[in-house]
Amino acid sequence: QKEVEQDPGPLSVPEGAIVSLNCTYSNSAFQYFMWYRQYSRKGPELLMYTYSSGNKEDGRFTAQVDKSSKYISLFIRDSQPSDSATYLCALGGQGGSEKLVFGKGMKLTVNP
Amino acid sequence: EAQVTQNPRYLITVTGKKLTVTCSQNMNHEYMSWYRQDPGLGLRQIYYSMNVEVTDKGDVPEGYKVSRKEKRNFPLILESPSPNQTSLYFCASRKTGSVNYGYTFGSGTRLTVV
Repeated sequence: QKEVEQDPGPLSVPEGAIVSLNCTYSNSAFQYFMWYRQYSRKGPELLMYTYSSGNKEDGRFTAQVDKSSKYISLFIRDSQPSDSATYLCALGGQGGSEKLVFGKGMKLTVNP
Repeated sequence: EAQVTQNPRYLITVTGKKLTVTCSQNMNHEYMSWYRQDPGLGLRQIYYSMNVEVTDKGDVPEGYKVSRKEKRNFPLILESPSPNQTSLYFCASRKTGSVNYGYTFGSGTRLTVV
């Protein structure tokens, strides 16, 4: 079983839709959880991070972590064409390591 | 502006011709890392460095070398590139022990080995 599995996509939605992106992981030692957004021909940029189970909200974005189920999600409300990008989950902190383990990414297209 | 700068952005080379991809960060970050990104495989770590003169292998180190002689620079060296090293490469850095554990990524280097 891979350390981190991410829904493969791609995903195409109409503008204004609610988007749900998900990852599962196998190692319960992961301590922090992140979502990165990567626009075409750009490097990934940090979108959200959290350390504990529960929800964290930032504008139209909500990150959700369920440590008991080893499941993380990113919700995008009122999606916009500018949200079209690849979204990668990233997990870290296992054994005190600095390393981040990334999901393979899901390409999202929001159609006007 | 806080950033990670990679050069070159695009590179086409021939098999066996040594090349270096440079990476520099201006944030005084201790930790730096190189990743390659391939379709269907995602981001895979090549090498990382915890600080000056401290480097270690990531998940896919074969065919690559790195050095960390200065805190800001972390070049990636391909001594004898092969076509299977054709990929999109990213350098990243972060400050260890900070509340925000995220990496700052460079803009990427698209390498083609023919």
